[in-house]
Amino acid sequence: EVQLVESGGGLVQPGGSLRLSCAASGFTFSSYWMHWVRQAPGKGLVWVSRINSDGSSTSYADSVRGRFIISRDNAKNTLYLQVNSLRAEDTAVYYCARDRDGPNYYMDVWGKGTTVTVSS
Amino acid sequence: DIQMTQSPSSMSASVGDRVTITCRASQGISSWLAWYQQKPGKAPKLLIYAASSLQSGVPSRFSGSGSGTDFTLTISSLQPEDFATYYCQQGNSFPITFGQGTRLDIK
Repeated sequence: EVQLVESGGGLVQPGGSLRLSCAASGFTFSSYWMHWVRQAPGKGLVWVSRINSDGSSTSYADSVRGRFIISRDNAKNTLYLQVNSLRAEDTAVYYCARDRDGPNYYMDVWGKGTTVTVSS
Repeated sequence: DIQMTQSPSSMSASVGDRVTITCRASQGISSWLAWYQQKPGKAPKLLIYAASSLQSGVPSRFSGSGSGTDFTLTISSLQPEDFATYYCQQGNSFPITFGQGTRLDIK
């Protein structure tokens, strides 16, 4: 079964950091571009970042550039998002998603999400 | 950034109705458009990609059309499981952007 499972979320104070992980199974992870998308409580979907299949190329939304770092370990079939200098507005469910036939930027497999809450 | 605007933002319909949701891009995106369905507490699900291609496993009552700046998602005969929020998303250029969502409720 094709599956993505996120972990690493939690409650963190403003200015703090977390590392989110996304474990992939059931497909050849190293062949796919990957994305992170977030959703604040009661709000819509917002794209955060993407990484190409070998990890050599990345892109970020303006709102997180310089604070978040996307990376991957193809040997461990795992995608990461290092989130630093967290702000209240970063509070959201963070989803990892597979690019359908990269790069075409359509996301065909999604994890269930991990929740990040930024609060003092 | 390319802005995606959906209409309506919410709507009510009955089982068996034909429903159309529209999405407009702030600039031309060719056919680089996807539609997703999201139910409360769940991850989004890809329905349509490349504006009109049906994702594998998605019922044929879902269809998409359009190119350039104007796109539509049509559900030909609403089923109880279709009541959800729908999002369009452009894949033409970074940053990838989503519409604000259309909430579809039971009338």
